[in-house]
Amino acid sequence: AQRVTQPEKLLSVFKGAPVELKCNYSYSGSPELFWYVQYSRQRLQLLLRHISRESIKGFTADLNKGETSFHLKKPFAQEEDSAMYYCALSGPGTYKYIFGTGTRLKVLA
Amino acid sequence: GAGVSQTPSNKVTEKGKYVELRCDPISGHTALYWYRQSLGQGPEFLIYFQGTGAADDSGLPNDRFFAVRPEGSVSTLKIQRTERGDSAVYLCASSLQAVSTDTQYFGPGTRLTVL
Repeated sequence: AQRVTQPEKLLSVFKGAPVELKCNYSYSGSPELFWYVQYSRQRLQLLLRHISRESIKGFTADLNKGETSFHLKKPFAQEEDSAMYYCALSGPGTYKYIFGTGTRLKVLA
Repeated sequence: GAGVSQTPSNKVTEKGKYVELRCDPISGHTALYWYRQSLGQGPEFLIYFQGTGAADDSGLPNDRFFAVRPEGSVSTLKIQRTERGDSAVYLCASSLQAVSTDTQYFGPGTRLTVL
């Protein structure tokens, strides 16, 4: 079955501390992986995708096919990173996203 | 430019009633998607349009749900005989084309509450 698992509903860290938001997936084949973010009172927006191998707002994510993971990392958390983060996958070249249940990140001053 | 817009932002209705939710995609985007997000869950795919036609409606939960996009732009999600379990945030998204390399841009959602 195709599934995205985000084991943490809530993650609290202090400002300046490293952050790792976990995402594991189940998919028969080679999916494309994404992280979406929703800031307070804003709409869901793309943060990054694995094929771009880019760093956005200091966040990076590496696709580990052996562990079927796509964890989101940032070395030094900032208060403005507080938001809801969703991991999602789609089949290669397709449009249908499967989302995880999301992790709320709170960065404490 | 303007992003994806959805109206109404909130809709409260009674069990058994009919509701329509509207989505106005980004101009020029041929692909349009509807998702449903229940409390504590991530968005769940409902239906996808390429142009005017529903290319994939495999996510619609039952035949009470129907969506149209008659002119290839604005879309309406229609729910008949609403049930309390239909209460959720309904999200619309659009993209240039229906491929994963094209970013899906989401609207603010319509919060539907069925009493």
